[in-house]
This record gives sequence, structure tokens and C-alpha cells, in this order.
Amino acid sequence: EAGVVQSPRYKIIEKKQPVAFWCNPISGHNTLYWYLQNLGQGPELLIRYENEEAVDDSQLPKDRFSAERLKGVDSTLKIQPAELGDSAVYLCASSPGTGGKSEQFFGPGTRLTVL
Amino acid sequence: DAKTTQPPSMDCAEGRAANLPCNHSTISGNEYVYWYRQIHSQGPQYIIHGLKNNETNEMASLIITEDRKSSTLILPHATLRDTAVYYCIVRVRYGGSQGNLIFGKGTKLSVKP
Repeated sequence: EAGVVQSPRYKIIEKKQPVAFWCNPISGHNTLYWYLQNLGQGPELLIRYENEEAVDDSQLPKDRFSAERLKGVDSTLKIQPAELGDSAVYLCASSPGTGGKSEQFFGPGTRLTVL
Repeated sequence: DAKTTQPPSMDCAEGRAANLPCNHSTISGNEYVYWYRQIHSQGPQYIIHGLKNNETNEMASLIITEDRKSSTLILPHATLRDTAVYYCIVRVRYGGSQGNLIFGKGTKLSVKP
């Protein structure tokens, strides 16, 4: 069974440019998460989707970050415009069911470098 | 903020048991203890979880003290591939933001030949 797929794996952009990350969760997983991980730190939750609904986006910086999960499957996380401090690894995870009862399966992440 | 305290780093000899401690003195009665690990350049991987009884699976064993204020993850025969950052997390197993995973900095385990 395929795991969580993320693309691209690496992205280098200049500040003020837009960037988008894509995530394909494990088939049948209703819940999808986006995390941000700074160097030497643990992942921090940005947003959680249950099916197509964003049920927890309290940690998402909405002035420049946006996310969508059309049809409750794939998801895209966008930053516009990117800032130097956005350099980090962006992780996507999914879990079966809803309500946070199940274990989360993580993708390999996208490493973003903003110059 | 993470509700757990872990040593920042540990070393273990290959083939020996690795015992990773975690303190969670403020754990609530409905919170479970979860362990994830993150190998370099990969996403975190679920290992095991427990409420109050000791648990064992194909990857590891989890020992939770009777007062539930601390726990130990045991890798019985560590290999070089077990070198990773290990995260101890307490969380409830139901919906809402209380069920979110809150990662601390974890313990960097280095398994040496």
C-alpha cells in the first residue's frame, strides 16, 4: 500500500514569491494534516481537515498561508508571498476515520528554502 | 507546549536494549502516551501507545508507571536503523484540538556499532 505522497520534495524560491505544496494521503483516510517543522524542532500543526472541511486551522497564519482539500482527497498548501522565516520542512499526514482517534501516517515532507 | 519532558540525546550500543525515558507528570486520566520516531529526512513514524497498561508490539515495548507520571520506551535489540529522534506525546483519543499531536524536541537516539 502506498504511503502519504508529497511533492515536490525540495523547493528553493526567492522571498516574496509564491509556493505550493501538494499532498496525496493514504487511500481512504478521511483526516489530513499539514505540519511545519523547523530545524531541530518537532512538527507543529498548521491545519487539520476532516474530509473536505478544515476543522482546526487555528495555527495557520492566514495572512499568507492558505490550504484546500477539494473533494476530500488531495490537498494543497500555499504560501504567498514567502518570507525568509518560512524556510522549513512542510509535512503532510493522514489518518483513517475522523475525530483524532487514529494514528497518523506522515509523508516525507517538502523542504522549502527561501532565499 | 509539549506536556512531556525527555532527555535531548542518548547513545546505545548496537544489539543492546535502548531505554528511552519520558516524564509526563501532569497527564490527565483520559490521556494516552504515544511514541513516534523520526529518522533523518523522513516524516515521523508511529511506534506505540498506551493508557496505563504496559504494551508491546513488533517494534517496541512501552512501560508506564503505576502513577502514570512517567514511561519508558524500550527497543529490545537496537540496530543502526533505529538511530532517530524519538518523540513522547500525551494526547486524548477523541476529536477536537485536544486530540492533536503536540511534539516537543524529542530524544535523539544514536545507535553505535
